[in-house]
Amino acid sequence: DIQMTQSPSYVSASVGDRVTIACRASQDIGGWLAWYQQRPGKAPKLLIYSAINLQYGVPSRFSGSGSGTDFTLTISSLQPEDFATYFCQQANTFPRTFGQGTKVEIK
Amino acid sequence: EVQLVDSGGGLVKPGGSLRLSCAASGFKFTNVWMSWVRQAPGKGLEWVGRIKSRFEGWTTEYAAPVNGRFTISRDDPKEMMYLQMDSLKTEDTGIYYCTVDYQDGWFDPWGQGTLVTVSS
Repeated sequence: DIQMTQSPSYVSASVGDRVTIACRASQDIGGWLAWYQQRPGKAPKLLIYSAINLQYGVPSRFSGSGSGTDFTLTISSLQPEDFATYFCQQANTFPRTFGQGTKVEIK
Repeated sequence: EVQLVDSGGGLVKPGGSLRLSCAASGFKFTNVWMSWVRQAPGKGLEWVGRIKSRFEGWTTEYAAPVNGRFTISRDDPKEMMYLQMDSLKTEDTGIYYCTVDYQDGWFDPWGQGTLVTVSS
């Protein structure tokens, strides 16, 4: 199985900060990567697919980049509703696998 | 409005069985692939299995930890999907989400989740 490793595991940030989360795949997955946001007690929500494409309705402060094995999720200006846990997921091979998550906390 | 509603979770003893349901509305259910994804308490996400549409013969695929114990089915006229879980283990404890499985590999939207607790 492809292992997905996120860093850091925790981010402490303030409203208005720029936040960057990294995701590394254990093998080349091309651009087959998605990012999800999970607020406490809620289901995950798709933010970005194919590494760089914003899902419909997702604010433009979210962006994704990368290909191959290294990917990044960037929140350009953190808003109160963005405090959540973020997961990456590879869709290159079966089984689909997720990163362990990055929790964005209020500083 | 596109909506998925999960139900059927509960407390079950190791070795027991449980059937989860997922009710879909607001989209063309018969045409989509569906998956189950679970999340152990305080942990990350784990894909459990999926069922394809009638166009692909309702083919199912499962993750290794549940293969042979879990069975996914669907009732297209009722717009329902099911997860039959047998021979449950303590490590199956978690929140189970149903989700639309885009053929490209993404999951969206998701149900609200239903909690399964396997404990003696």
